[in-house]
Amino acid sequence: QSVLTQPPSVSGTPGQRVVISCSGSRSNVGTNPVNWYQHFPGNAPKLLIYTNDQRPSGVPDRFSGSKSGTSASLAISGLQSEDEADYYCAAWDDSLKVIFGGGTRLSVL
Amino acid sequence: EVRLVESGGGVVNLGGSLRLTCAASGLMFDDYAMHWVRQVPGKGLEWLSLINGHGINTYSADSVRGRITTSRDSSRNSLFLQMNSLTSDDAAIYYCAASRGWNYDVIDFWGQGTRVTVSS
Repeated sequence: QSVLTQPPSVSGTPGQRVVISCSGSRSNVGTNPVNWYQHFPGNAPKLLIYTNDQRPSGVPDRFSGSKSGTSASLAISGLQSEDEADYYCAAWDDSLKVIFGGGTRLSVL
Repeated sequence: EVRLVESGGGVVNLGGSLRLTCAASGLMFDDYAMHWVRQVPGKGLEWLSLINGHGINTYSADSVRGRITTSRDSSRNSLFLQMNSLTSDDAAIYYCAASRGWNYDVIDFWGQGTRVTVSS
């Protein structure tokens, strides 16, 4: 059971905006930054958003992150078929470990 | 280009041990904390452990603590994972990953993974 809670799946149509939520607790999301990873099964995961809302070089600005209290969100606007992947939130926990969310499968209908 | 290449996966007997290696290139190895993360088929990513750039401090998940040893060799730009007393729950793809500096939570680079199967 993951400490960070994400919806198992979300879906949208091309061009739409979708939001993936990530809920934690004071010892992780409430205190430390949240990062997001994109994972195409069979491939290496990729850092998508770091420190709540920062995009690494090369990540389109269609991807954005935010955090408030013990919850965080990843928004994807202008949805494209190639965005269909698994998305994970993660954060450092004050018990000295990295915590991942359970992952959200994004389907582009 | 940063490359992290895992090796050592394969079939391991129930109750046996595994030793995985991750060969890093294209980065200043000592400047990166290194992680092991796994994914059981059909499940999500599970963080297992990390070791800091100096190799002095290690941290591990509650689920595997006491069964794993994470180490690194700067002379070979390599990361290692030793896991003992394997169960069927340990069958997974094991990823090596890297975090720059002290930002342990930001995993900048990932390997392609190596698959471990546990046989009874």
